[in-house]
Amino acid sequence: GAVVSQHPSWVICKSGTSVKIECRSLDFQATTMFWYRQFPKQSLMLMATSNEGSKATYEQGVEKDKFLINHASLTLSTLTVTSAHPEDSSFYICSALILGGGYTFGSGTRLTVV
Amino acid sequence: GENVEQHPSTLSVQEGDSAVIKCTYSDSASNYFPWYKQELGKGPQLIIDIRSNVGEKKDQRIAVTLNKTAKHFSLHITETQPEDSAVYFCAASNKNTGNQFYFGTGTSLTVIP
Repeated sequence: GAVVSQHPSWVICKSGTSVKIECRSLDFQATTMFWYRQFPKQSLMLMATSNEGSKATYEQGVEKDKFLINHASLTLSTLTVTSAHPEDSSFYICSALILGGGYTFGSGTRLTVV
Repeated sequence: GENVEQHPSTLSVQEGDSAVIKCTYSDSASNYFPWYKQELGKGPQLIIDIRSNVGEKKDQRIAVTLNKTAKHFSLHITETQPEDSAVYFCAASNKNTGNQFYFGTGTSLTVIP
């Protein structure tokens, strides 16, 4: 089946540094990828939608200059958290739209900013 | 836009009993309703889905029912096992909104051995 590989699974960084999270579709082409943020015991919050070769569409309230999304190829999308602060600590999950209208999710990245 | 509500937020059942989680949606144009299971520290995994042209779908111990008129759908897990313990999310989407998923708030299911 369609698999999305997400890396790293966890990362700890210092305040002010940037962190890049990668999501790769392993056996299919992902023209559309979604990035979510999830706080403990809460649902997934859509941050942005990225389409291959075009600029990402950000949800209201999400800072596009802080959360940089790149979808330069049909198999790779990246989320870079720039100038990270402790309040950016969260669980970030990507997902890709697959044929038939379903989603497949990455395994998530636990970001801790200290 | 679409609004998906999910109940209950927590559910505890004895092993072997059934568990039912219910979701309602607001947009009558929604036509795809997946259910995801999320274990601690992991991404959501699709466990079953249903489309608006079907009223019920079953896969072994898991079943989903859809009532389009009432705009609600439910997840049924029979003969629950401890490994069924996880957080379950429902979602709704339609092509008119670019297949964007609208998630429910999640149900934390605990199966007591």
